[in-house]
Amino acid sequence: DAGVIQSPRHEVTEMGQEVTLRCKPISGHDYLFWYRQTMMRGLELLIYFNNNVPIDDSGMPEDRFSAKMPNASFSTLKIQPSEPRDSAVYFCASSLNAGNQPQHFGDGTRLSIL
Amino acid sequence: TQLLEQSPQFLSIQEGENLTVYCNSSSVFSSLQWYRQEPGEGPVLLVTVVTGGEVKKLKRLTFQFGDARKDSSLHITAAQPGDTGLYLCAGGSNDYKLSFGAGTTVTVRA
Repeated sequence: DAGVIQSPRHEVTEMGQEVTLRCKPISGHDYLFWYRQTMMRGLELLIYFNNNVPIDDSGMPEDRFSAKMPNASFSTLKIQPSEPRDSAVYFCASSLNAGNQPQHFGDGTRLSIL
Repeated sequence: TQLLEQSPQFLSIQEGENLTVYCNSSSVFSSLQWYRQEPGEGPVLLVTVVTGGEVKKLKRLTFQFGDARKDSSLHITAAQPGDTGLYLCAGGSNDYKLSFGAGTTVTVRA
């Protein structure tokens, strides 16, 4: 079975540029989560969706960050304009619609903003 | 400030030795999950504990959830190089969000 698929795996771009990260969750999973991982702050939840609807975006750092889920099989995280401090590994995860269910993570996108 | 504090931050041991990783919080969680993450990959679930005082065993790994559901520990017996990785604990709440600890980096030397 295919797991959570993220693209690209690596992204290097200059500050000020727009960055779009993509995620395909596991089919049938109702919840989708976007995380950011850094050495300093660990794994932080940015936003999560239930049935394609954003439920909690309190972890989104600034208005420069936005996320969408146009359908059950696709989500994007966009940063515009990007800044060097946005450099991190961004993970997408999905889970079934039930309490205490495991979250299944993709392999992440390593983002470097120069 | 991390909601969940993990200790130690780093652990390096010889193959065959035992190790314990701790996860502590002042908050009560509905569940506690442990994940392992290897370089270049996302975290992978090892176990979920939901009942205060619960103990779960997964081969050489033993997981315990504190009676008050605020803390947990992971014990590995006779560690092997394949156990090397970043171990993350995550507290679950009723809104399906997980709060992750900063992680413990475990290195098992052959």
